[in-house]
Amino acid sequence: GNSVTQMEGPVTLSEEAFLTINCTYTATGYPSLFWYVQYPGEGLQLLLKATKADDKGSNKGFEATYRKETTSFHLEKGSVQVSDSAVYFCALPFYGGATNKLIFGTGTLLAVQP
Amino acid sequence: GAVVSQHPSRVICKSGTSVKIECRSLDFQATTMFWYRQFPKQSLMLMATSNEGSKATYEQGVEKDKFLINHASLTLSTLTVTSAHPEDSSFYICSALEGAYNSPLHFGNGTRLTVT
Repeated sequence: GNSVTQMEGPVTLSEEAFLTINCTYTATGYPSLFWYVQYPGEGLQLLLKATKADDKGSNKGFEATYRKETTSFHLEKGSVQVSDSAVYFCALPFYGGATNKLIFGTGTLLAVQP
Repeated sequence: GAVVSQHPSRVICKSGTSVKIECRSLDFQATTMFWYRQFPKQSLMLMATSNEGSKATYEQGVEKDKFLINHASLTLSTLTVTSAHPEDSSFYICSALEGAYNSPLHFGNGTRLTVT
């Protein structure tokens, strides 16, 4: 089956700093890739996704590019805000291209300080 | 947008008792729902896939007799933790598939279970 490796946190940044959270994967074929966000005490929300190689997913100022050469899907944001403090999960399908059953990375806690 | 409601959000129970957690899709029909358990330091583990009208499919290492899943309708799946023990204390999250293969996946807000 597929697998995902995500950088460990916590990541602590000052407001307006640049953010990168690394994510690499191993997979059969070229599955869709996802970033989910979990705010304190809540479930997960889809942040962005990319469905094929070289696609760039973006939402709320966050971006991630599907890089098949490096099997990576790193999450970036140019200027973080306190409200971005949350746990971020990289995800991909358990196997093949089935996007309905996902495997998640270990999550990276982001803490943004004013 | 599609909403998944999970109830209760928090529950405290005594060791040996059973606890039922509900997961409802409020504005769409969900043939398939998933149950996850979130461990300390955030890692999410898929416990089982719940299919309407049929038996759940459990992931390796998950005790099906301890974590009973029932998906009786297209909008409701329940997870019952039977004879709970302190090691079952965790954050349980459900998700519902809005449609078939490759459809969006929507998550509930989770249930914090504490077994004393």
